[in-house]
Amino acid sequence: KNQVEQSPQSLIILEGKNCTLQCNYTVSPFSNLRWYKQDTGRGPVSLTIMTFSENTKSNGRYTATLDADTKQSSLHITASQLSDSASYICVVSYNYGGATNKLIFGTGTLLAVQP
Amino acid sequence: KAGVTQTPRYLIKTRGQQVTLSCSPISGHRSVSWYQQTPGQGLQFLFEYFSETQRNKGNFPGRFSGRQFSNSRSEMNVSTLELGDSALYLCASSLGQLTYNEQFFGPGTRLTVL
Repeated sequence: KNQVEQSPQSLIILEGKNCTLQCNYTVSPFSNLRWYKQDTGRGPVSLTIMTFSENTKSNGRYTATLDADTKQSSLHITASQLSDSASYICVVSYNYGGATNKLIFGTGTLLAVQP
Repeated sequence: KAGVTQTPRYLIKTRGQQVTLSCSPISGHRSVSWYQQTPGQGLQFLFEYFSETQRNKGNFPGRFSGRQFSNSRSEMNVSTLELGDSALYLCASSLGQLTYNEQFFGPGTRLTVL
């Protein structure tokens, strides 16, 4: 069964600290993996998109890694800020057949950054 | 460049009614996809339209339908509303088909079914 699991479910850190969010997937055949940030009451915003051949990708203080062999991805946030408080969603795309691809969403990690 | 816009932002309906939500993509984007987000289920993919054709579909009943117009604007319709349809409905647009391109989400329509 195609699944995307994220951990932890929620996380509280102090401002200025680093943190790492995890995403494990069983989706196959893999097409790409995305990380989104969703602020409360707003639509998700894309952070990174990674294909099979990419091991790491950065977007400012956000760095995503991908291990296609173990089917694991992580999102590392450096020097956290209060504005990083949000839900972080991992999404995996897979080939459903022919030219059709589907997206599987993780349930997200809720991050709270405290002063 | 204007972002993705969705109307209305908030909607209250009663069971059995139907509802139509609208999404205007970023200018030049040809793909529009729809999602349902609830606290219990998270984000779930409804369908994607590209060049006025439905290209992908999630696992939702036939009460959920959509269409895309020649200007890439899209509408989503839910008929015979149920209490469980209460959710945030998000629309996203991308330049090409969603699975290969970056998506840009709108602010969503909050639907409450009483």
